[in-house]
Amino acid sequence: KQEVTQIPAALSVPEGENLVLNCSFTDSAIYNLQWFRQDPGKGLTSLLLIQSSQREQTSGRLNASLDKSSGRSTLYIAASQPGDSATYLCAVRPSSGGATNKLIFGTGTLLAVQP
Amino acid sequence: GAVVSQHPSWVICKSGTSVKIECRSLDFQATTMFWYRQFPKQSLMLMATSNEGSKATYEQGVEKDKFLINHASLTLSTLTVTSAHPEDSSFYICSARELGQRNSPLHFGNGTRLTVT
Repeated sequence: KQEVTQIPAALSVPEGENLVLNCSFTDSAIYNLQWFRQDPGKGLTSLLLIQSSQREQTSGRLNASLDKSSGRSTLYIAASQPGDSATYLCAVRPSSGGATNKLIFGTGTLLAVQP
Repeated sequence: GAVVSQHPSWVICKSGTSVKIECRSLDFQATTMFWYRQFPKQSLMLMATSNEGSKATYEQGVEKDKFLINHASLTLSTLTVTSAHPEDSSFYICSARELGQRNSPLHFGNGTRLTVT
């Protein structure tokens, strides 16, 4: 059974700092991994999608890496800003076990960037 | 970009009543939509997969007679919480994948906050 874990559960940093969020998954049989941002009481905004054949994806100040064999992904945020404060979720899409259409989410990292 | 619209964004209802939540893909077609539930400080849990023109597929532990799903067109899926109880209070989020784009990202609605009194 695929399980997704995110560490740390919460993180507080001063503005301008670079930071790394971690995501690990137990089964390497995945189609892709997706990072989302969720603001309080809101839906999800997709940040980056990494296909299983890719190693990393970049968008602006965000860079996500994927090491499928070790079951790990990181989301790197450069020069953090108070507007980056949100909960960050990673999710994997399994490629086996009959559950190939669903996303399995981690529990998220609550990020607070202090001005 | 692909937009998923969810309505209403919040609803308060009395115990025993039914509530319908709509999920629309505004600028793309989706044969499959997904309904998730999120309890406070927890992650999203998939409730069911909504298939256009056929019955929804429910996850283990989700009562199909309580959470009725209808996917009548390629742009609309509805979730009806029947005979709602306070324990059904939660944040419900739908998502959709563009037709024919198997490996494309899922697009999410803004969610519906349901409070049952």
